[in-house]
Amino acid sequence: EAQVTQNPRYLITVTGKKLTVTCSQNMNHEYMSWYRQDPGLGLRQIYYSMNVEVTDKGDVPEGYKVSRKEKRNFPLILESPSPNQTSLYFCASSFGTGGEKLFFGSGTQLSVL
Amino acid sequence: KQEVTQIPAALSVPEGENLVLNCSFTDSAIYNLQWFRQDPGKGLTSLLLIQSSQREQTSGRLNASLDKSSGRSTLYIAASQPGDSATYLCAAYTNAGKSTFGDGTTLTVKP
Repeated sequence: EAQVTQNPRYLITVTGKKLTVTCSQNMNHEYMSWYRQDPGLGLRQIYYSMNVEVTDKGDVPEGYKVSRKEKRNFPLILESPSPNQTSLYFCASSFGTGGEKLFFGSGTQLSVL
Repeated sequence: KQEVTQIPAALSVPEGENLVLNCSFTDSAIYNLQWFRQDPGKGLTSLLLIQSSQREQTSGRLNASLDKSSGRSTLYIAASQPGDSATYLCAAYTNAGKSTFGDGTTLTVKP
């Protein structure tokens, strides 16, 4: 089944403790992207990647890191999480450079205490 | 910077009614515009994608239009059903990979 898989689904952590949210897609998509969704602020793009070893900042990259060493994986790294990073995170992928149909993962609900 | 606005924020209609959701964007230099559906606690599902050179796209009871010159897109839902209840989001894309989402319209279709 074609899908974008995020793990974990839920995560509670404490301020300053490094964490990684994994994202994997099995559709051989070139484009992958991370978003956060907050009430009243909508869905905002964090980072995106148009191919292996190519990553770019979205609108809210501060406090996040990403890497794209393999085509299928695009992990989101929070080196020192803070409470304002408590949010619902989504990973997405598509063919091409992001202008094609976008497939989303089920989301990761992160709480930073 | 691209801004995307969706009006109304919420909409409640009786079953069977035809309805229109609106999406406006400030920068007309978009590569495409995509409409999504989001159910509570779930990810987004792409409904329709309109390339910048197109005027509209149709899928079943859904029809999306795009007017780049006025910075507007509409999603038309015909003969609404309770199963259509969800939040609908639009997103404008540049060909450099950036995307900007609207806040969404939460639709409730009452039986």
